[in-house]
Amino acid sequence: NAGVTQTPKFQVLKTGQSMTLQCAQDMNHEYMSWYRQDPGMGLRLIHYSVGAGITDQGEVPNGYNVSRSTTEDFPLRLLSAAPSQTSVYFCASSNYDRGTEAFFGQGTRLTVV
Amino acid sequence: AQKITQTQPGMFVQEKEAVTLDCTYDTSDPSYGLFWYKQPSSGEMIFLIYQGSYDQQNATEGRYSLNFQKARKSANLVISASQLGDSAMYFCAMRDPRGFKTIFGAGTRLFVKA
Repeated sequence: NAGVTQTPKFQVLKTGQSMTLQCAQDMNHEYMSWYRQDPGMGLRLIHYSVGAGITDQGEVPNGYNVSRSTTEDFPLRLLSAAPSQTSVYFCASSNYDRGTEAFFGQGTRLTVV
Repeated sequence: AQKITQTQPGMFVQEKEAVTLDCTYDTSDPSYGLFWYKQPSSGEMIFLIYQGSYDQQNATEGRYSLNFQKARKSANLVISASQLGDSAMYFCAMRDPRGFKTIFGAGTRLFVKA
């Protein structure tokens, strides 16, 4: 009963490095999204996907890329990490019904030095 | 554009008392969903309660109830009989009518005192 699995849980990057945050769900949810959580700002939507092959930008997309080749996976790529991207990142999934809640991964704490 | 506002950065409540966490929202869509999530210090996001914009009755889930005032665009969370384990960050969220996007407020940190 895995739900939403995010890896890694912790990561330290140097400025300019690239990395991919992994997110996988086993609930056959159509909708997946990435958020970043910063103190005092709640969760802000980075990118989201409404199905395989379809992605769109959220509130704070700059510096991040996504793709959705399968229903299960929705990786988030940082092409050139910056200190401003130090944050806690959450992946979430849900189905189309607006009355159902989102299921969240455990989060990734990313520090860019 | 949709927006969620939580104006209480922090709240204190005495154990066993009730507490209300405020949430106001802004949307031009007549159909939407409102959610509350709890985030304890361990960091995970826990779903608490849901209210649909067309629901006639306020949602309740155990000790949680949602005071939904549609005309005022408010969806306050009421926690009855607070427990020490209720100390956490609480987020109000809104999902758009197509179900694509969920946006969150800044959160309220609740401290329950023994």
